[in-house]
Amino acid sequence: EDQVTQSPEALRLQEGESSSLNCSYTVSGLRGLFWYRQDPGKGPEFLFTLYSAGEEKEKERLKATLTKKESFLHITAPKPEDSATYLCAVHPMDSNYQLIWGAGTKLIIKP
Amino acid sequence: EPEVTQTPSHQVTQMGQEVILRCVPISNHLYFYWYRQILGQKVEFLVSFYNNEISEKSEIFDDQFSVERPDGSNFTLKIRSTKLEDSAMYFCASKDGFNQPQHFGDGTRLSIL
Repeated sequence: EDQVTQSPEALRLQEGESSSLNCSYTVSGLRGLFWYRQDPGKGPEFLFTLYSAGEEKEKERLKATLTKKESFLHITAPKPEDSATYLCAVHPMDSNYQLIWGAGTKLIIKP
Repeated sequence: EPEVTQTPSHQVTQMGQEVILRCVPISNHLYFYWYRQILGQKVEFLVSFYNNEISEKSEIFDDQFSVERPDGSNFTLKIRSTKLEDSAMYFCASKDGFNQPQHFGDGTRLSIL
């Protein structure tokens, strides 16, 4: 069965303290992996797409990487405005349209 | 930047009533989705719509639910005979290509009393 697991469930960091969020997946094959940010009461906001192992994408303080079994979202020198829930979703080969979603990591950055 | 817009932002309905949630996807997008998210839980896929028909649906999307694209811009989710457990945030999403990212609206909070 296709599955996506995110860890940790929650992460509290001091401003400027770098860390990584994990998304591990078990799927028959991978069409693509997507990272989203979700603020309270809002819809998920697209951050990155990764398609193949070894691929990396960067945007400001965020960098996403992909291996054959997991993806990491690295956050460098975070600021309080980076506080949000970060969601990972996988498009498996055995689905044409449906994404498999992780439960998210709630990130809190303290000033 | 183009956005997915959803109306209303909050809908309060009596149990047993029908409700229609509305979405305007990004204008050149071809694939449309509805999701729901119960407070504090995962995003759950309901249905995808492509080429004027349902392309995929989840077990949640039973006969109580239906979707329509009545014109070139709107995409609606109808929930008949609402139940207390239908209370959730409902998100619409759209994308312009098969393996492209989905872009989400800010959702409709549905409260069933």
